[in-house]
Amino acid sequence: GAVVSQHPSRVICKSGTSVKIECRSLDFQATTMFWYRQFPKKSLMLMATSNEGSKATYEQGVEKDKFLINHASLTLSTLTVTSAHPEDSSFYICSARDPGERTDTQYFGPGTRLTVL
Amino acid sequence: AQKITQTQPGMFVQEKEAVTLDCTYDTSDQSYGLFWYKQPSSGEMIFLIYQGSYDEQNATEGRYSLNFQKARKSANLVISASQLGDSAMYFCAMSRNRDDKIIFGKGTRLHILP
Repeated sequence: GAVVSQHPSRVICKSGTSVKIECRSLDFQATTMFWYRQFPKKSLMLMATSNEGSKATYEQGVEKDKFLINHASLTLSTLTVTSAHPEDSSFYICSARDPGERTDTQYFGPGTRLTVL
Repeated sequence: AQKITQTQPGMFVQEKEAVTLDCTYDTSDQSYGLFWYKQPSSGEMIFLIYQGSYDEQNATEGRYSLNFQKARKSANLVISASQLGDSAMYFCAMSRNRDDKIIFGKGTRLHILP
């Protein structure tokens, strides 16, 4: 299957700072990527759909000014958590579809564990 | 609105036995995809198997098979000859069509006992 990478895998930051997380499709071009958030022992919650060359589409209740998404190329989407607070601590994971596949399977990155002190 | 239901929060199964993880879904769409993902303790989401709503045959991938019963709107995952490495969280998911988002069930935590 397609390969999606994510960086960093783990980050610890101070409250009030901003953190950038990168999501890359390694062997295919992705016009659309997805960002999820997962709390401990919970399911994945879709935060936003990242669209190459245009604005991201945010899910209801997700603050777009808090979670900035940029999809500047066909292989890279970034999520920036601005002015992070302890309640932003979570597991963030991205996914992408390989348009060359018959199915609409999404492949996930390995995730980023964010801890805000 | 679409919905995925996984009624088994946790399961314990003896090694080498087969296991069935339940999943039911609700949708008014005619075309959709069904997926199963495995999430080990490391956190990565590993794609296991896909079933399209128009696929007549049940999907199989190695030890994984998807028991698709369209009329009952169920898409159970069957793991044959379970192994210790199968211990993980398993999520059933559904997408509506290409370029649309995937919605996930709450997951089932599978424990394989030696």
